[in-house]
Amino acid sequence: LAKTTQPISMDSYEGQEVNITCSHNNIATNDYITWYQQFPSQGPRFIIQGYKTKVTNEVASLFIPADRKSSTLSLPRVSLSDTAVYYCLVGDMAEQAGTALIFGKGTTLSVSS
Amino acid sequence: NAGVTQTPKFRILKIGQSMTLQCTQDMNHNYMYWYRQDPGMGLKLIYYSVGAGITDKGEVPNGYNVSRSTTEDFPLRLELAAPSQTSVYFCASSYGLTNEKLFFGSGTQLSVL
Repeated sequence: LAKTTQPISMDSYEGQEVNITCSHNNIATNDYITWYQQFPSQGPRFIIQGYKTKVTNEVASLFIPADRKSSTLSLPRVSLSDTAVYYCLVGDMAEQAGTALIFGKGTTLSVSS
Repeated sequence: NAGVTQTPKFRILKIGQSMTLQCTQDMNHNYMYWYRQDPGMGLKLIYYSVGAGITDKGEVPNGYNVSRSTTEDFPLRLELAAPSQTSVYFCASSYGLTNEKLFFGSGTQLSVL
């Protein structure tokens, strides 16, 4: 069972780049790494997904080193609206399918002006 | 696109009452999930379904039941409500299981008094 570890909280100021690192030492060969964002009173929203090296979209970048035991979500020039909880998920191959999509407590990012 | 729709948005139950939380998706996704989120915590998987007629337990299934008679609908049943079931409930769906992004509904806030 892949398990993830993230910082509980992070603080930043508007305009800064924020990097949130997730540790997943037991990641399996076929697992992808997926990040979600959750605002208060809303369901989580998909941000980005990757398997190795670097993935970039209009919202964020995801950096994955060669050993894949960690990943870093990078948010460029954050704004107040990026204040949210960020979850890192690693998909287990489905011997026990229900354990494949376990959310931890996530990282609460607080952006100040 | 409606995506994943949950009803009701809010509900107050008395101890011992029963109710059904409704969830429907219009994306023709095979996989559907129910999560609960307690205040300040991450999401915990209650039940999931890999297709019509197939359901399985997640991390915290006790006190809940589900059914999946159609691809679109995945209702969650609380038979004897208890205060410990006070939480926000999120339904989600995905096309596949692992390596597929989840689409979440807006949640149902349930209080059991």
